Amino acid sequence: RKEVEQDPGPFNVPEGATVAFNCTYSNSASQSFFWYRQDCRKEPKLLMSVYSSGNEDGRFTAQLNRASQYISLLIRDSKLSDSATYLCVVNRGNTPLVFGKGTRLSVIA
Amino acid sequence: NAGVTQTPKFQVLKTGQSMTLQCAQDMNHNSMYWYRQDPGMGLRLIYYSASEGTTDKGEVPNGYNVSRLNKREFSLRLESAAPSQTSVYFCASLRGRAVEQYFGPGTRLTVT
Repeated sequence: RKEVEQDPGPFNVPEGATVAFNCTYSNSASQSFFWYRQDCRKEPKLLMSVYSSGNEDGRFTAQLNRASQYISLLIRDSKLSDSATYLCVVNRGNTPLVFGKGTRLSVIA
Repeated sequence: NAGVTQTPKFQVLKTGQSMTLQCAQDMNHNSMYWYRQDPGMGLRLIYYSASEGTTDKGEVPNGYNVSRLNKREFSLRLESAAPSQTSVYFCASLRGRAVEQYFGPGTRLTVT
């Protein structure tokens, strides 16, 4: 079983829709969590950190459930520019970050 | 402040040729990483360097060597390229326990 698992998608949604991605992690010692965004043929970039109490950044909301070991990302009012691959990332401490394979989102006009 | 830079951006090699991918960061980060990314496989860690003077194997180190030349530079060498090494290679850096890992723009390598 991979340490970080995501539904690869693609998720094809119309503009204005709300879409949610989930990610599960297997190592209960994981300490911190992030969502990265990767545009086609570009490098990954940090989208947002994920805090235990949940956090919001504009149209994006991230949540963490430590008991069930999953992380979610909710995007409201989807824009064409949100089309990208979203990577779930886990930090286990003094070891390299662990990246999920990503979930591909296409927002359609 | 250029962040993480990689050279070259594109490269085509014949099987058996060797080459070195260069990476440099100007953010004074301690840790540096090399990944490869293939369709459907996600990012896979090849080697990393937690600090100047140290290097460690990642998930897929076979066929590669690395050198942490100084705090700024971390190079990846393919001694005898194989078609299975056709991929996009990303270098990244991270400062201590900082949240954000910064990636370079990538090198697209094709081995024929």
